[in-house]
Amino acid sequence: DQQVKQNSPSLSVQEGRISILNCDYTNSMFDYFLWYKKYPAEGPTFLISISSIKDKNEDGRFTVFLNKSAKHLSLHIVPSQPGDSAVYFCAASARRSGNQFYFGTGTSLTVIP
Amino acid sequence: DTEVTQTPKHLVMGMTNKKSLKCEQHMGHRAMYWYKQKAKKPPELMFVYSYEKLSINESVPSRFSPECPNSSLLNLHLHALQPEDSALYLCASSQSGRLAQETQYFGPGTRLLVL
Repeated sequence: DQQVKQNSPSLSVQEGRISILNCDYTNSMFDYFLWYKKYPAEGPTFLISISSIKDKNEDGRFTVFLNKSAKHLSLHIVPSQPGDSAVYFCAASARRSGNQFYFGTGTSLTVIP
Repeated sequence: DTEVTQTPKHLVMGMTNKKSLKCEQHMGHRAMYWYKQKAKKPPELMFVYSYEKLSINESVPSRFSPECPNSSLLNLHLHALQPEDSALYLCASSQSGRLAQETQYFGPGTRLLVL
């Protein structure tokens, strides 16, 4: 049973515009959420995280928003750059499940120059 | 330094071969993980070591055998694999595996092909 879902397998955005990647989860015990970026033939690279006690975390061009009531998080990239083209995975963990990560299926972002 | 290294980068093996994947980190982390990732799928957790002890084994077939010789090294021994085991094998590490809200840092992976 997929506890973390990314319903958009792909997204194309013009360079300089905003990219919004979405992620939904079903387990209300999740208390930590992360976004990873993955290039082909490489391992996932940690991008940004957010604790369940917050609703927003910002790091440069990347902002993650958490809506606990909707069990939804999103990653905003502004402005988008061609180098941002990659697959983005969201992940969630819960202290009660030993910090095991549950990954979404990924969204492939293409930023068009 | 948030680097996790994995060797080899690529591995081709027959179903009767024995091989090992290696992972190393020097961040002082005490938790290390093996994941398997098939194309267009999310990483699937296989094993977790915390303080050199196996803490999670996600019902992985015995043809995969993990080993944690010390806190910096993690091996995955492979024997009598099947073609469906072909995948990208990812290693990750985190601070302890026991604290809340730990971030896992991933290596580049070993792409395995079983013929």
